[in-house]
Amino acid sequence: AQSVAQPEDQVNVAEGNPLTVKCTYSVSGNPYLFWYVQYPNRGLQFLLKYITGDNLVKGSYGFEAEFNKSQTSFHLKKPSALVSDSALYFCAVRDSYNFNKFYFGSGTKLNVKP
Amino acid sequence: GAVVSQHPSWVICKSGTSVKIECRSLDFQATTMFWYRQFPKQSLMLMATSNEGSKATYEQGVEKDKFLINHASLTLSTLTVTSAHPEDSSFYICSARDSTDTQYFGPGTRLTVL
Repeated sequence: AQSVAQPEDQVNVAEGNPLTVKCTYSVSGNPYLFWYVQYPNRGLQFLLKYITGDNLVKGSYGFEAEFNKSQTSFHLKKPSALVSDSALYFCAVRDSYNFNKFYFGSGTKLNVKP
Repeated sequence: GAVVSQHPSWVICKSGTSVKIECRSLDFQATTMFWYRQFPKQSLMLMATSNEGSKATYEQGVEKDKFLINHASLTLSTLTVTSAHPEDSSFYICSARDSTDTQYFGPGTRLTVL
């Protein structure tokens, strides 16, 4: 079965510091991994995805994610956090056999303090 | 990135009435759209997959007669909550899948049933 886990409910970081939001996955085939961000009372915005190729994926708003096959992880990173990055972040994996189905993590609330 | 719109953004209705929510892909055609439900501080729960020109595929536990889905064109899917009750109050989010298998999400619809 496919699944993703976000072990941290909340991450606190000071503005200007690097941030990491963790995600681990479990899939039976090749992983198709995604990161989305959600602002209050809004839908999810696509940040980046990994399908194949370079393990370091660059996305929107300066975010990047590193795919690590041996650790089955896909952590989201940003070198310098902004207060405006404060939001809810979701990791997702696409089902290996049913391309229509995405499995979302429980979400991690990122708080960036000035 | 691709844009998906939802209408209305919020709706308040009386118990027993029906509510229709529209989901549109504005700059791409989507043969497949998805309807999710999100409870406060929780992740997204896939309700159903909407296929253009055919019946929707519902996830286990989702009542198809209560949540009617119509995908009449390549850019429009509708979700109708029939005979709404207070427990149907939630945040409903649609998404549309593009040709690269990336899902783009609408801004969501907040439904409150009195």
